[in-house]
Amino acid sequence: GQQVMQIPQYQHVQEGEDFTTYCNSSTTLSNIQWYKQRPGGHPVFLIQLVKSGEVKKQKRLTFQFGEAKKNSSLHITATQTTDVGTYFCAAFSNFGNEKLTFGTGTRLTIIP
Amino acid sequence: DVKVTQSSRYLVKRTGEKVFLECVQDMDHENMFWYRQDPGLGLRLIYFSYDVKMKEKGDIPEGYSVSREKKERFSLILESASTNQTSMYLCASSLPGQGVRQPQHFGDGTRLSIL
Repeated sequence: GQQVMQIPQYQHVQEGEDFTTYCNSSTTLSNIQWYKQRPGGHPVFLIQLVKSGEVKKQKRLTFQFGEAKKNSSLHITATQTTDVGTYFCAAFSNFGNEKLTFGTGTRLTIIP
Repeated sequence: DVKVTQSSRYLVKRTGEKVFLECVQDMDHENMFWYRQDPGLGLRLIYFSYDVKMKEKGDIPEGYSVSREKKERFSLILESASTNQTSMYLCASSLPGQGVRQPQHFGDGTRLSIL
């Protein structure tokens, strides 16, 4: 089945530093979603990217979808302690069903 | 706000028991999903359902079954629990895509331990 690779698995940054997590697929994706899971919480939807080369911003978060629709990234500028959590990408294949394949997640910890 | 409620936050069962995990959503969503979450493996789809009495296998259905008798309720069943089914189980629901995929809304999860 479809696989979505996400790196890195862990990232520790000083507060104020930037952070990036990457998702890669060997197959073309119809669209990709990003979720955030706070420690002890459940995944919460952040954003969806649909178009080739699409870039979307939410305050300090920038989401990109690759031109070939096989990769995506989430970049956080000037991290804050509220950014702590695990970030997951999740992708739909082109086959028209509702099945999401989640990446393995990147766990972000912030050193104050 | 969408509310997805899982019946138990923590559950401890014994090997060989039949275990039921219940999930209820209050937003009339057609789609419902069961995932398990394990460290380093992310979320893996066990089963999902497009509508009442309909079910589709996900990536890891072995050892599990599901039931969807009513639109708002989706049950996950461990037929004969084994220790390798110790995990966090997450239920989610969403509207159907209709050309644009919809976000999934998750419950708080059930941490299941099989002894």
